[in-house]
Amino acid sequence: NAGVTQTPKFRILKIGQSMTLQCTQDMNHNYMYWYRQDPGMGLKLIYYSVGAGITDKGEVPNGYNVSRSTTEDFPLRLELAAPSQTSVYFCASSYSRSPGSGTEAFFGQGTRLTVV
Amino acid sequence: GQNIDQPTEMTATEGAIVQINCTYQTSGFNGLFWYQQHAGEAPTFLSYNVLDGLEEKGRFSSFLSRSKGYSYLLLKELQMKDSASYLCAVRGLDSNYQLIWGAGTKLIIKP
Repeated sequence: NAGVTQTPKFRILKIGQSMTLQCTQDMNHNYMYWYRQDPGMGLKLIYYSVGAGITDKGEVPNGYNVSRSTTEDFPLRLELAAPSQTSVYFCASSYSRSPGSGTEAFFGQGTRLTVV
Repeated sequence: GQNIDQPTEMTATEGAIVQINCTYQTSGFNGLFWYQQHAGEAPTFLSYNVLDGLEEKGRFSSFLSRSKGYSYLLLKELQMKDSASYLCAVRGLDSNYQLIWGAGTKLIIKP
């Protein structure tokens, strides 16, 4: 019962470095999301995808990129890391997102990223 | 603008009852979620409300009043394992029905 799997769990990056956060789900969900969570703040949506080949910006997309070549995988790319990107990143997926739908999102275990 | 307010922190006693409030101002309304998040872990789904009233699920209940932009999560017979943050999230009508998240309420349970 893997659900949503994120790697790595922890990472320290130097300013200007790049990295990819991996996310894969085995529930055949069409909808996938990347959030960041900062202390004292609500989850902020970075990017989301409604299916393979389709991605769109969320609330805070600057400095990030995504791709969705398969239903299962939704990697998040950080280019030119900055201290402001120090955060905990969560990948999530859901079966549906329709208005009124109570279908919940399933979250990965998170990636704690520090940029120094 | 869109906003969700929750108390930052609450303390309660093991075995007691606690109510965590959430007020929201969003562009339209298409449902409200409550999630539980233990420290260092991922959020997990607790409840969903889209119509006014109370939804009960074991020791946890969630209430919604759309006219007041208000919800609460009621936890009964508190256990030490209920120590966690509780996140309120609202799905509005903007931006493809994305969720707007509150900052969460940290609940501390004391023996």
